[in-house]
Amino acid sequence: DTGVSQDPRHKITKRGQNVTFRCDPISEHNRLYWYRQTLGQGPEFLTYFQNEAQLEKSRLLSDRFSAERPKGSFSTLEIQRTEQGDSAMYLCASSSKSGDSAEKLFFGSGTQLSVL
Amino acid sequence: EDQVTQSPEALRLQEGESSSLNCSYTVSGLRGLFWYRQDPGKGPEFLFTLYSAGEEKEKERLKATLTKKESFLHITAPKPEDSATYLCAVRNSWGKLQFGAGTQVVVTP
Repeated sequence: DTGVSQDPRHKITKRGQNVTFRCDPISEHNRLYWYRQTLGQGPEFLTYFQNEAQLEKSRLLSDRFSAERPKGSFSTLEIQRTEQGDSAMYLCASSSKSGDSAEKLFFGSGTQLSVL
Repeated sequence: EDQVTQSPEALRLQEGESSSLNCSYTVSGLRGLFWYRQDPGKGPEFLFTLYSAGEEKEKERLKATLTKKESFLHITAPKPEDSATYLCAVRNSWGKLQFGAGTQVVVTP
């Protein structure tokens, strides 16, 4: 399977704990995105990488959130001191933009986070 | 600020009953309008990209159309397997992708 894979699929944690999610993009894709989605809403942009460089971060991304993409391959998203409001589906997407075409994002199945 | 509004929020159809979903948008410099399908517990799956007013794309029972202010996703003779949430998103001239809240479609046999 050459799609975007995310791990874990589900994470239950207690408030105040730290959690880390992993995303493995499609191998030839140089762009990687993190989105957050809550029930009944569309995905909201968090951050994106081109290769290993983090090029943009949303204002939604508080300083408790940090993302990395070492060597431009897989990416991790860490949330420190989790709060109940962090409960959501965290989606990773990757793409390979060429020329001027509107890039097409391929999404993983997400990590569902529940903060108790 | 870019905005994407989808209607209706939910749609219940009988198998074979055709209908349309609406996506209204305001965006600074449209660089593509996207339709995605999302099944429960899964990530969005790409369906179509539309670039300019008047453009149409088709895939099986789905047809997407685009005007300067809105896009429609027409579902012709739907089947139960077409049940999903359909998401619309627009990309602006800065490259930012903005999603709507989606339309949840349920098709009953």
